[in-house]
Order: sequence, then C-alpha cells, then structure tokens
Amino acid sequence: GDSVTQMEGPVTLSEEAFLTINCTYTATGYPSLFWYVQYPGEGLQLLLKATKADDKGSNKGFEATYRKETTSFHLEKGSVQVSDSAVYFCALSASGGSYIPTFGRGTSLIVHP
Amino acid sequence: DVKVTQSSRYLVKRTGEKVFLECVQDMDHENMFWYRQDPGLGLRLIYFSYDVKMKEKGDIPEGYSVSREKKERFSLILESASTNQTSMYLCASSPTGVRGGSGNQPQHFGDGTRLSIL
Repeated sequence: GDSVTQMEGPVTLSEEAFLTINCTYTATGYPSLFWYVQYPGEGLQLLLKATKADDKGSNKGFEATYRKETTSFHLEKGSVQVSDSAVYFCALSASGGSYIPTFGRGTSLIVHP
Repeated sequence: DVKVTQSSRYLVKRTGEKVFLECVQDMDHENMFWYRQDPGLGLRLIYFSYDVKMKEKGDIPEGYSVSREKKERFSLILESASTNQTSMYLCASSPTGVRGGSGNQPQHFGDGTRLSIL
C-alpha cells in the first residue's frame, strides 16, 4: 500500500539556519503531495502542496518540489524563525477514488533564538 | 475563511462513560474524518464518512462509533470510555475530487480535543 516516510525528529536549529526535512513516499499512480504544519495546541493546517511531477509548492518561505524520479518531496526553508517551531507532516493523496490520505509520522522542529 | 470546529478543546471523563465528540464544518464538504494523535504514533484514522449517513472504518475503529445525520456534522462516540482512549482527537473534512475520492484536495482540520479518561 501507500506509505510516507519522514525523517525522525526533533530537528533543532538556531534562528536563520537553513532547514531541510526529508520526505519520501511509495504510491501507485500519480499522487498529490502535501506538507501540513501543526503549531502547539492546534490542529494541522495545509502549508503547501504539489499535484504533479516537478511542481514546486511554496508558502511562507517554505518550498518543496515533487520529484517523481526519487519519490521525494523534501521541505526546505532558507532562514527559519522561532515562530516556525512546530510539527511538520508530509502526506500524499492517491490518484483515483481514494478518500484517505496517507500521512508521515511528523517531524518536530525546534528553533532557538 | 473555511472552518472546522470541534466542540471542546479539553475534556475529562471517567472510565465507562459514553463520550460524544462533535465536529462541524462550514465548507459543504462531502468527506469528514476522525483521527487520534498520540506521541510517536502520528495520526491514526478512526472512521471517515464520504456522505450523510455513510461511514467507513479506518485503522483503529474498535471502541468507537460515529454518526453523520447532517452533511456538516460528524460525531465520534466512545461507547464505554477506557483509559487507553486518552488522546488528542482531530476532526478533518475535505471535498470530493472531480474523479471521486479526495483527489488533490487537502484536508481541513479542527483544533483538536484533548480527551483524558480517568
């Protein structure tokens, strides 16, 4: 079946450091890919998405590129802020008639001043 | 702005009680979902519904039931609460894609209910 693998956290960075959170997936067909963010005490919210190969999703300084050849969707940000401290989830939604997305287990990011 | 509202942020109940968690969405979405979130285990799907009065079991339905009498409301029921059901519960909704299923549509989540069973 479909699966999503994320790097385990926590990832601890200093403010203004470069961020990469790795995400790889296994799926049949051509899934859509998502990154969600969960701030402390809140639910998940969509950060960015990409629906086809080579698409780049971007939002709030975060970027991720849909790489079909490496089945990856790594999240990057050039300069993190303390306010980016949160849990990040990579997810895929399979093509066809599936209603249920597949989520990774989440990666906690802690940014120190 | 789109909104998924869960009735309680924090809830404390006793073992054996029947517990109701309510979720309402204002986006006219066809699909609604209940997850539980536990440290180290990520999100696990309990039940989902793709239409009024329709429901499907997710990965961990044991000890839970759901009700969807109206399109905007999806209720999770703990029939007889137990301590191992202490968790964060998240409700989500999504529209149906043009080819069925959720397609490339993201889910919209509520803020969660942190439930403690004593």
